[in-house]
Amino acid sequence: DVKVTQSSRYLVKRTGEKVFLECVQDMDHENMFWYRQDPGLGLRLIYFSYDVKMKEKGDIPEGYSVSREKKERFSLILESASTNQTSMYLCASQLGGSGANVLTFGAGSRLTVL
Amino acid sequence: SQQGEEDPQALSIQEGENATMNCSYKTSINNLQWYRQNSGRGLVHLILIRSNEREKHSGRLRVTLDTSKKSSSLLITASRAADTASYFCATEETSGSRLTFGEGTQLTVNP
Repeated sequence: DVKVTQSSRYLVKRTGEKVFLECVQDMDHENMFWYRQDPGLGLRLIYFSYDVKMKEKGDIPEGYSVSREKKERFSLILESASTNQTSMYLCASQLGGSGANVLTFGAGSRLTVL
Repeated sequence: SQQGEEDPQALSIQEGENATMNCSYKTSINNLQWYRQNSGRGLVHLILIRSNEREKHSGRLRVTLDTSKKSSSLLITASRAADTASYFCATEETSGSRLTFGEGTQLTVNP
């Protein structure tokens, strides 16, 4: 089974801090995604990547950046955390290529910014 | 932008009853997928239906897709308390492989 591991389940940070959320997948998937989930808003795509060193903006990239130096690892970076970035962050990977691809999600990282 | 919209937002039923959730979307799709999320956890893929399929089954799950109405339904038969979770539909648009999720239906199955 594909496993997607998010490094932290719960984080508490202060406004202005730099925050790193790490995500690692173990099945050689091409595509990786970062979503945030908020009550009443569902899942919103922040950034995604279809290849190493490649990144694409999703629907809400402002305030975030990403890094994909290795195929298995996709990091989400909050350069200067703000209270409105308090949320559940979900990483997912996808096989890639042609054909229908499902997402495999990590367990989520709940970030609180004080 | 949200592609899929689930209906109802919340559903409460008794164990043994059937649960039906609906999803509507706006654009042309390659496929539609349903995911489940237990409280505070990541999403788990349940079932995928392609745009040229009308119905699909997996165990107690039955999914239908009507591309003319741009809608899908997920039926869970003989529900169990363990089915309590949020259920999300996600659409893969013809323009690319990224998925767009709806806001989900919170299902509560009472023992």
